[in-house]
Amino acid sequence: KAGVTQTPRYLIKTRGQQVTLSCSPISGHRSVSWYQQTPGQGLQFLFEYFSETQRNKGNFPGRFSGRQFSNSRSEMNVSTLELGDSALYLCASSWTGGSGEQYFGPGTRLTVT
Amino acid sequence: DAKTTQPPSMDCAEGRAANLPCNHSTISGNEYVYWYRQIHSQGPQYIIHGLKNNETNEMASLIITEDRKSSTLILPHATLRDTAVYYCIVRPNNFGNEKLTFGTGTRLTIIP
Repeated sequence: KAGVTQTPRYLIKTRGQQVTLSCSPISGHRSVSWYQQTPGQGLQFLFEYFSETQRNKGNFPGRFSGRQFSNSRSEMNVSTLELGDSALYLCASSWTGGSGEQYFGPGTRLTVT
Repeated sequence: DAKTTQPPSMDCAEGRAANLPCNHSTISGNEYVYWYRQIHSQGPQYIIHGLKNNETNEMASLIITEDRKSSTLILPHATLRDTAVYYCIVRPNNFGNEKLTFGTGTRLTIIP
């Protein structure tokens, strides 16, 4: 069974621009979570979607948003990029929700210049 | 979610058992212990989880003390590919709660 896929794998953007990252979960998984990883803050939870609804949200500004489609694929968007948004963005999927057993994709490395 | 404490780094000789400790003295009765690892520049990988009984799968064993205040992840025959950061996470299993709170983890280095 195919794992979680994320596109693109690498991205370079300029301050002030916006970016959209995509995540395809494992087939049959209905929950998709997003995380940001930076050297200074480590792995931090952004938000989670289940059945096209945002169910949980971390402590990030409103510039970070997401959505989930009917096929469970998810996108996250960051508007008005700042240098501090440079990070590895990871998505994770799970089947039932709430089990704690999540499967992560390889991540998208975003560099903001 | 309960707070966890892990040593920042450990070394282990290739072929030996790697024992990674985790302290979670404030764990609640409904909270599980989860272990993930992250190999450099990859996404975290789920390893194992347990509530109070010891657990074993093809990757590792999880030993939870009787009072549940600490646990040990055991990699029985460590290989170079086990070099990674290992995260111990304590959380309840609630439908609708997907959030994983990662600490700083233990950087395990397998020595040839």
